Amino acid sequence: QVQLQESGPGLVKPSETLSLTCTVSGGSVSSDSYYWSWIRQPPGKGLEWIGYVYYSGSTNYIPSLKSRVTISVDTSKNQFSLKLSSVTAADTAVYYCARLFCSDRSCYSNWFDPWGQGTLVTVSS
Amino acid sequence: DIQMTQSPSSLSASVGDRVTITCRASQSLSRYLNWYQQKPGKAPQVLIYGASSLQSGAPSRFSGSGYGTDFTLTISSLQREDFATYYCQQSYSTPYTFGQGTKLEIK
Repeated sequence: QVQLQESGPGLVKPSETLSLTCTVSGGSVSSDSYYWSWIRQPPGKGLEWIGYVYYSGSTNYIPSLKSRVTISVDTSKNQFSLKLSSVTAADTAVYYCARLFCSDRSCYSNWFDPWGQGTLVTVSS
Repeated sequence: DIQMTQSPSSLSASVGDRVTITCRASQSLSRYLNWYQQKPGKAPQVLIYGASSLQSGAPSRFSGSGYGTDFTLTISSLQREDFATYYCQQSYSTPYTFGQGTKLEIK
């Protein structure tokens, strides 16, 4: 059974870079059926997809964050990572990593499963 | 971006009730719509994918329907463990987007 676990600092100063890592166990990030995603949820609010990375390194990001976000994969460590630069208080959120499962090659039918437990990142001086 | 609108935003119901939550998309999704359940302090879990397919392990009292722009999630007989927040999510195109959530509370 695949499990995902986020790790990284819980407090980041404004204007600095938020860095999180997701460690995958029970499965491989190198599988061609999955994309590896980051999703965030500000306290008391809804869910926002940030982007994903494929094992090849190809990425797709939400346009509103594209200039500040980098998602990368390390197949040797079975991990993928999120970097978000120039953070502000608006970036305070619980950050989840999740596997995007594609039911076929086109990946039109896809869903997030499983998710990590989430990690709260607070942006504050 | 595809906008997802859920209704209602909150709902009070009793154990045993039949409950329906609606999700509307700003453009056609075909059947590429998923539903998630989130309990306080926990990560969301997928219940329904492809508008109407029940995820393995999800209780059969959950069902989904719809096509195009209008979708529903139905819980046939509410159980105490179903009180949570529910989100729809479109998987038709990136950026993937979620509805604002429907909080289901005990009456």
